Amino acid sequence: DQQVKQNSPSLSVQEGRISILNCDYTNSMFDYFLWYKKYPAEGPTFLISISSIKDKNEDGRFTVFLNKSAKHLSLHIVPSQPGDSAVYFCAASAGTGGFKTIFGAGTRLFVKA
Amino acid sequence: KAGVTQTPRYLIKTRGQQVTLSCSPISGHRSVSWYQQTPGQGLQFLFEYFSETQRNKGNFPGRFSGRQFSNSRSEMNVSTLELGDSALYLCASSPVLGSYEQYFGPGTRLTVT
Repeated sequence: DQQVKQNSPSLSVQEGRISILNCDYTNSMFDYFLWYKKYPAEGPTFLISISSIKDKNEDGRFTVFLNKSAKHLSLHIVPSQPGDSAVYFCAASAGTGGFKTIFGAGTRLFVKA
Repeated sequence: KAGVTQTPRYLIKTRGQQVTLSCSPISGHRSVSWYQQTPGQGLQFLFEYFSETQRNKGNFPGRFSGRQFSNSRSEMNVSTLELGDSALYLCASSPVLGSYEQYFGPGTRLTVT
């Protein structure tokens, strides 16, 4: 039972355009959501997060939107750059600690120059 | 500050053997979590250690075990290896137990033949 789903295994976007990565979750107890970025041969690195009391969080080119009623969150990257090409993991937590953090399967983003 | 380091980076083992993976957290971090990453499955939580004690455990068989030393370094052991254990094993550290944000190492790629 996948509680966190990233339904698009891959996404290809032209440099300068917007990249939108989507994530759906099923557990209404999740109260904190994170996005991690992973380059080949490296571990995931924290990118941006959002608490369930908010519906938007912005950090530079990265914005995360949360729609609690739809149990959906998305990561927007504007403008996309070739260096953004990586695998992006969505994660949701029902409390603190790795034990309660569930990761999606990841979406591979290709940004074409 | 040095990041999370994991050794070895790559490992090839035969079915039935056992393996030990090592993780050194960021200096000052006392919580270490382990994850298994397989294609299409995201990151699956294995266990979390804090102050040399296992605090949380994921849904993995008893062949998977771990420990943490007084300097916060952690080891993970898998006994009686199976083909399905082939995966990227990631270690993550946090300053305290139960932190939402985790800092990942590059992982150990284990191949079981």
